[in-house]
Amino acid sequence: DQQVKQNSPSLSVQEGRISILNCDYTNSMFDYFLWYKKYPAEGPTFLISISSIKDKNEDGRFTVFLNKSAKHLSLHIVPSQPGDSAVYFCALEGPGANSKLTFGKGITLSVRP
Amino acid sequence: ETGVTQTPRHLVMGMTNKKSLKCEQHLGHNAMYWYKQSAKKPLELMFVYSLEERVENNSVPSRFSPECPNSSHLFLHLHTLQPEDSALYLCASSQGRTTFSGANVLTFGAGSRLTVL
Repeated sequence: DQQVKQNSPSLSVQEGRISILNCDYTNSMFDYFLWYKKYPAEGPTFLISISSIKDKNEDGRFTVFLNKSAKHLSLHIVPSQPGDSAVYFCALEGPGANSKLTFGKGITLSVRP
Repeated sequence: ETGVTQTPRHLVMGMTNKKSLKCEQHLGHNAMYWYKQSAKKPLELMFVYSLEERVENNSVPSRFSPECPNSSHLFLHLHTLQPEDSALYLCASSQGRTTFSGANVLTFGAGSRLTVL
């Protein structure tokens, strides 16, 4: 049974518009929520994270929202750029120190010029 | 070199072969990880080493054998694999996390693409 679900396998967005990537989870005990980005032939790279005690974290064009009551996490990219085209994974950590990351399957984002 | 380096990038092996994947990190991190990425599946954690001690083994078959000789190097020894073991094997490292130090951010290598014939 998957604890972390990224139900939409792909998303296509026009350059300059907003990209919204979603992630749902079942276990309410996670401490941190992370997003990783992966280009072909490269490993995933860390993008942005949010603590369970917050509901929003912003870093430039990237904003992560956390809705704990709905067990829902989203990543907003605005404005979207062609270089953002990649696979995006949500990864949830916890509970407690030295806990492992649980990854979603990933969403392939395509930003059209 | 900086970051996490994995070799080889591609490996094709028969079911009776013995081969090894190598990972090296130049970040001074304390923890190293092996993940498996199969098509259409989430990344699966295989092994975790913290300060060269194995702290997690996620029910991985014994045909996969990890080795961590020091905090900078991690190996995955492969023996009598099955075709379903074909996947991308990703190594990662991290500083490790205490309760109050924030998220445990992993730095990944580019992966070793394994094909078992």
